[in-house]
Amino acid sequence: KAGVTQTPRYLIKTRGQQVTLSCSPISGHRSVSWYQQTPGQGLQFLFEYFSETQRNKGNFPGRFSGRQFSNSRSEMNVSTLELGDSALYLCASSLAGTGGYNEQYFGPGTRLTVT
Amino acid sequence: AQTVTQSQPEMSVQEAETVTLSCTYDTSESNYYLFWYKQPPSRQMILVIRQEAYKQQNATENRFSVNFQKAAKSFSLKISDSQLGDTAMYFCAFYSGGSNYKLTFGKGTLLTVNP
Repeated sequence: KAGVTQTPRYLIKTRGQQVTLSCSPISGHRSVSWYQQTPGQGLQFLFEYFSETQRNKGNFPGRFSGRQFSNSRSEMNVSTLELGDSALYLCASSLAGTGGYNEQYFGPGTRLTVT
Repeated sequence: AQTVTQSQPEMSVQEAETVTLSCTYDTSESNYYLFWYKQPPSRQMILVIRQEAYKQQNATENRFSVNFQKAAKSFSLKISDSQLGDTAMYFCAFYSGGSNYKLTFGKGTLLTVNP
C-alpha cells in the first residue's frame, strides 16, 4: 500500500499570502489529522477529520482551516500568513472510527517557509 | 488537558549500548494510550512502540521496551543494543481513550548513537 502523501513537500510564501496544503491518506483510511511542528512549540495538533466532518480542533487562530473530501483526501488552508507560521506541517491518517485507538501513519510533511 | 513532558532534550549513546529515554505525563483519565515515535533526520514519523494504559505488562518490540509506571505517570523507553540507525528525534505521545481524536506530544529527545 502507498503511504500517506503530502503535497507540496516544500513551499515558500510571503507574509499576507494564503496557502493550501494537501494530504492523501492511505487507501481505506478515513481519518486525517494535521499537526504543526516548530522548533519552539514542538508538535501541536491542528485538527482531525473523519468522513468529511471535523471532530476536533486544536488551539489555533481562525486563519487555519481544513476540510476533507469524500475520498478522504484532506486540505488545510492558512490565510494571511505570518512569519510564525513557518513550520513543518504533518498529516497523519488512520482507519479510525469511534473510541479506542487506531494507529496513525504520518506523511513526510510539507515544509512551509514564510518570508 | 493532558500534558507530556520529556526532560532530556538531547542524549547520546555508544553503538551497542543501552539507553533510556524518559517521559512523564499528566492526565485525569483512566483509559488512554501512550506511544513513542521516532523521527529520523529524513522527517518521516514512525511509531516505535505503544502501551495501553489498562495493560499492566510493559510493551516490547524487539530492541525497544518501555517501563510503564501508571501510578507515577511515567513512561520511559529503553533501547538495547543501540544502532546507528536509531539516531533520531524521539517523541513521547498521549492519546485519550475518550473522543478527542488527537495525539499530545512531548517536546522530544534528540538521540545520537555514536560509532
